[in-house]
Amino acid sequence: DAKTTQPPSMDCAEGRAANLPCNHSTISGNEYVYWYRQIHSQGPQYIIHGLKNNETNEMASLIITEDRKSSTLILPHATLRDTAVYYCIVRVPGYNDMRFGAGTRLTVKP
Amino acid sequence: EPEVTQTPSHQVTQMGQEVILRCVPISNHLYFYWYRQILGQKVEFLVSFYNNEISEKSEIFDDQFSVERPDGSNFTLKIRSTKLEDSAMYFCASTDQTGYAGELFFGEGSRLTVL
Repeated sequence: DAKTTQPPSMDCAEGRAANLPCNHSTISGNEYVYWYRQIHSQGPQYIIHGLKNNETNEMASLIITEDRKSSTLILPHATLRDTAVYYCIVRVPGYNDMRFGAGTRLTVKP
Repeated sequence: EPEVTQTPSHQVTQMGQEVILRCVPISNHLYFYWYRQILGQKVEFLVSFYNNEISEKSEIFDDQFSVERPDGSNFTLKIRSTKLEDSAMYFCASTDQTGYAGELFFGEGSRLTVL
């Protein structure tokens, strides 16, 4: 029932920007794009979400294409502690629940 | 910063035994969830709970599972007769904003090992 497609793994050099892509070509007009991450076996951690506009917070930026069929999560200055599995999820808040796919395993290398 | 807390952090049990996993959601949250993650696999949705009843459940959440909010603060997941394949990390989550953002806050998980 995957509504998103993400690369299984990516590497990034410490201090550089990490750009994690996500395809959601069947997204509907009222679905939001959420990003979570899971460091090792800890509980998933919320990063950011958006509907159609680009969003930025203290953790990351979210760039959503104009047709909303894809998005990119940007970690501007990746650190070793950003090594984690990153999940892109689409859902309608209050209508359906957060369902996780396989995500992208990001490895930040020194 | 408020957080979701889960107990126990690790429980070992014999197959066929009953297990109760406990969660204390963030105090003003109204929507509660259980997820599980079998080692090496993805995080799987089990059940969502609002206003003292289940609002949605997955195909995994069969008759051996039940949830309860017995005292207005704790949110529990009971597995009636554990099987080997129930061995997993179980995560509780809560939110108060399903109408808008619905950001879920997760606990650190309870590791269940069934022998």
